[in-house]
Amino acid sequence: GENVEQHPSTLSVQEGDSAVIKCTYSDSASNYFPWYKQELGKRPQLIIDIRSNVGEKKDQRIAVTLNKTAKHFSLHITETQPEDSAVYFCAASFGNEKLTFGTGTRLTIIP
Amino acid sequence: KAGVTQTPRYLIKTRGQQVTLSCSPISGHRSVSWYQQTPGQGLQFLFEYFSETQRNKGNFPGRFSGRQFSNSRSEMNVSTLELGDSALYLCASSAGDRLKETQYFGPGTRLLVL
Repeated sequence: GENVEQHPSTLSVQEGDSAVIKCTYSDSASNYFPWYKQELGKRPQLIIDIRSNVGEKKDQRIAVTLNKTAKHFSLHITETQPEDSAVYFCAASFGNEKLTFGTGTRLTIIP
Repeated sequence: KAGVTQTPRYLIKTRGQQVTLSCSPISGHRSVSWYQQTPGQGLQFLFEYFSETQRNKGNFPGRFSGRQFSNSRSEMNVSTLELGDSALYLCASSAGDRLKETQYFGPGTRLLVL
């Protein structure tokens, strides 16, 4: 069935260092992979997404890479700042119809 | 444009009761999806409505149901509440007719079942 695994569940990095969160998915037909950021007490917000015809996408300090053969995709945050502290969720579309989310990564930036 | 809104924001119910939650999508959005968020399970897909029709459904029991009105507003109903239904219920709307369009989330309704 549809499944998205996300690792790690918690991650602490020093301010200024990079953070990497990885997700794997089960359905080779998946073709859309968004990442959401949820700050404490707030709603999830899309930060970046990638479609299956692209291997990498960057937006300032954030990048996502996709390896369709291995069925995994990763979020990279460089030069981390305190405001990057949040829970990050990956997701994958299955059968072009619905999103399945990972269980989230709590990222803490240590000043 | 106003964002996605949900009412009520907080709700306390007792076991066996039923509850109805409401979601108003961004103006012009026709797709509304519902998710249950719990600390251990993350975001779990409940169902999606598009043009008043349920298009997709997650793996939740029949106690969870929903509907969408002609103005795209959506309601979710949970009958015979159980303690395990305590969660944050989020809805999300998108502009396109496919779920790989960007979804915009509402602030959620926090439900506590006693």
